[in-house]
Amino acid sequence: RKEVEQDPGPFNVPEGATVAFNCTYSNSASQSFFWYRQDCRKEPKLLMSVYSSGNEDGRFTAQLNRASQYISLLIRDSKLSDSATYLCVVKIGGSYIPTFGRGTSLIVHP
Amino acid sequence: DVKVTQSSRYLVKRTGEKVFLECVQDMDHENMFWYRQDPGLGLRLIYFSYDVKMKEKGDIPEGYSVSREKKERFSLILESASTNQTSMYLCASSFHRDRGSEQYFGPGTRLTVT
Repeated sequence: RKEVEQDPGPFNVPEGATVAFNCTYSNSASQSFFWYRQDCRKEPKLLMSVYSSGNEDGRFTAQLNRASQYISLLIRDSKLSDSATYLCVVKIGGSYIPTFGRGTSLIVHP
Repeated sequence: DVKVTQSSRYLVKRTGEKVFLECVQDMDHENMFWYRQDPGLGLRLIYFSYDVKMKEKGDIPEGYSVSREKKERFSLILESASTNQTSMYLCASSFHRDRGSEQYFGPGTRLTVT
């Protein structure tokens, strides 16, 4: 079983739609969680950290479910510019090294 | 703003050549990482360093070595380049584990070995 699993997609949605991605992790000692965004042929960039109580940044909402060991990313009112690959990142407490999922591809069309 | 720079965006080398990829960060980060990214395989860790002159192997260190003589600089060396090392190479840095762990990436070096 992979440590961090994501549906690769692609998720193909129209502008204005709401879309949600999930990411499951296998290690219950995981303590830090992040969503990164990667545009085609560019480097990953931090989108947002995921906090235990859930957090929101504009149109983006991240949630953590420790009991079921998954995190989610909700994007409301999708824009064309949201088209990218979204990487889930999980880190075990005390470790230097985060574990990356392989990413979920999102395509927003007019 | 955190800035991570890599010495080249695109590089073409011949089989058997020695290749140096350099990475510099300006945020006084303790940790530095080298990854390669290939379609369908995601990011794979080659080596990381948590301090000057310290290095640890990642998941795929074979065929690579690293050097960290200064805190801000982390070099990846391909001792004898092979065609299966054609890939996108990404450098990243982060603060020490106790101070959070979000990584900041450089723009990447797309290496082609012919």
